[in-house]
Amino acid sequence: GVTQSPTHLIKTRGQQVTLRCSSQSGHNTVSWYQQALGQGPQFIFQYYREEENGRGNFPPRFSGLQFPNDSSELNVNALELDDSALYLCASSVDSQLYNEQFFGPGTRLTVL
Amino acid sequence: AQSVTQLGSHVSVSEGALVLLRCNYSSSVPPYLFWYVQYPNQGLQLLLKYTTGATLVKGINGFEAEFKKSETSFHLTKPSAHMSDAAEYFCAVSDDRGSTLGRLYFGRGTQLTVWP
Repeated sequence: GVTQSPTHLIKTRGQQVTLRCSSQSGHNTVSWYQQALGQGPQFIFQYYREEENGRGNFPPRFSGLQFPNDSSELNVNALELDDSALYLCASSVDSQLYNEQFFGPGTRLTVL
Repeated sequence: AQSVTQLGSHVSVSEGALVLLRCNYSSSVPPYLFWYVQYPNQGLQLLLKYTTGATLVKGINGFEAEFKKSETSFHLTKPSAHMSDAAEYFCAVSDDRGSTLGRLYFGRGTQLTVWP
């Protein structure tokens, strides 16, 4: 399955953070979502074959990397209080019909 | 633009009662539609999906949903609620047909409470 680390993280405003995701084996696509408290997940961006393949309405201080070994990272610079949320990664493999996304358990980030 | 509206942020039912969670979507193209469930401190689990074909879709744990294009709806139902169904439910839409993107747009969620 999809795993994420760490489970929980506490940072202070202005700091930088890196969240990690391990995709399901063989999946070539990873998407990241931000789920604020009481909200549905919001699409941050997607990486396909190690290149950014689409971005939601998030500023450039949100960046990512995808590696050939089924791992990926979400980096957030200059943390703001509103960045406090559950961050979900989802992996998928491109198919002819649609890309079912398999979600990890998430990393809960608290910014103080 | 794609969007999802889930009517009712909280739904409470008695065990054994019908569960009905409402979802309406907006999409400029024929959409893919999904229902996900989220248990406390866990990620999202896919309950069911509509991509093409039969408009009545059956999923896991006895849930089903019907795609009604004329009403732009995809309501989730279960004939008899169980205590273990208590969770947060999210409706999602994707319109990225034929591309690798598959971006999901989620509703705000409906918290289902099941009373004994």
